[in-house]
Amino acid sequence: EAGVTQSPTHLIKTRGQQATLRCSPISGHTSVYWYQQALGLGLQFLLWYDEGEERNRGNFPPRFSGRQFPNYSSELNVNALELEDSALYLCASSAGLAGYTQYFGPGTRLTVL
Amino acid sequence: AQSVTQLDSQVPVFEEAPVELRCNYSSSVSVYLFWYVQYPNQGLQLLLKYLSGSTLVKGINGFEAEFNKSQTSFHLRKPSVHISDTAEYFCAVSVNTGGFKTIFGAGTRLFVKA
Repeated sequence: EAGVTQSPTHLIKTRGQQATLRCSPISGHTSVYWYQQALGLGLQFLLWYDEGEERNRGNFPPRFSGRQFPNYSSELNVNALELEDSALYLCASSAGLAGYTQYFGPGTRLTVL
Repeated sequence: AQSVTQLDSQVPVFEEAPVELRCNYSSSVSVYLFWYVQYPNQGLQLLLKYLSGSTLVKGINGFEAEFNKSQTSFHLRKPSVHISDTAEYFCAVSVNTGGFKTIFGAGTRLFVKA
């Protein structure tokens, strides 16, 4: 069974640009979570989607947004990139609202120059 | 509100020595408990989880953890570590608030020395 996949592996952008990160959950999982892991910091919760709806949002500005598609894959968009947005962005999936175990993808390393 | 505290930010240990990574949590409702490992530049891998039943949980790579409800702890242990165990370890709790919400600790960096 395929795990959670994320693309791209690495992404380099300049300040002010937009970044789009993608995540495909494990087959059968309907919930997708996004986390930011900046250097030296723990996991900061960004967003949680389930069945196409945003269920919860972390303490991040509105320029961090996303969506979940009918096939449960998800996009994270970061607008007006700032240097401090440089981080590893991790996606996780679980089996919907009853899914208490999150399974993580390998992450996308975003570098903002 | 729920919280997770990993008591040590870094744990250096010699190869083949035992190790314990400490995790305490607070919650007014029942929780599920997890330990994840993160190797450099990779995602998180599930080591083990406690859902119910036996309080001693065995996971992958020889790790185990014990749930102690009275002390609200879920410490991770391994009797003999290897160089390859060098990684970041995260403790997490999940609570059901109309859908499961997971809270992660700040992580403990385990550094195994030869």
